Amino acid sequence: DAGITQSPRYKITETGRQVTLMCHQTWSHSYMFWYRQDLGHGLRLIYYSAAADITDKGEVPDGYVVSRSKTENFPLTLESATRSQTSVYFCASTSVGGYTFGSGTRLTVV
Amino acid sequence: KQEVTQIPAALSVPEGENLVLNCSFTDSAIYNLQWFRQDPGKGLTSLLLIQSSQREQTSGRLNASLDKSSGRSTLYIAASQPGDSATYLCAVRFEETSGSRLTFGEGTQLTVNP
Repeated sequence: DAGITQSPRYKITETGRQVTLMCHQTWSHSYMFWYRQDLGHGLRLIYYSAAADITDKGEVPDGYVVSRSKTENFPLTLESATRSQTSVYFCASTSVGGYTFGSGTRLTVV
Repeated sequence: KQEVTQIPAALSVPEGENLVLNCSFTDSAIYNLQWFRQDPGKGLTSLLLIQSSQREQTSGRLNASLDKSSGRSTLYIAASQPGDSATYLCAVRFEETSGSRLTFGEGTQLTVNP
């Protein structure tokens, strides 16, 4: 199916553990993004990528790492998870038709 | 700081009513503005995209307008239905921001009562 696929849909992890959220697009959109959504803060940009091997920080990058070795994949890694990183994470890509979002990953850090 | 504001935060209407959701932004220099719908526990679904050169876009019962000079956009929903109940998000791509990023409002939670 065409679109953006995020995995896993739900994840529970312990404080201090490393966790990676996956994002895959079936198009060849240059730009990809990671946002987190929290009550009271709305959607905030974590990292974005303009192309393979080009990434840049967004509004709230601390504690996160991204990579983009292939155009279609844009994984987000929490190096040492903290409770404040409990959130819903959305991956997105953009084209002339605007943004398209994945279904999200609900991450709980305990 | 470039910001997007949506008012009201929540709205409850009876079925069949026509309604308007409001979005304001602090900088008139924008590339485009996009309206999204989000159902509880779900992702964001794009409704309408308005480029900076456009004044409005229509899709079915939805009409979005853009007035850059006043920093406002409205989403008009005609003949509302219970299935329209969701959170509606406005997002702006400002010219001064790098990387094609969007700035989001916090949304309007719409409830349409049967």
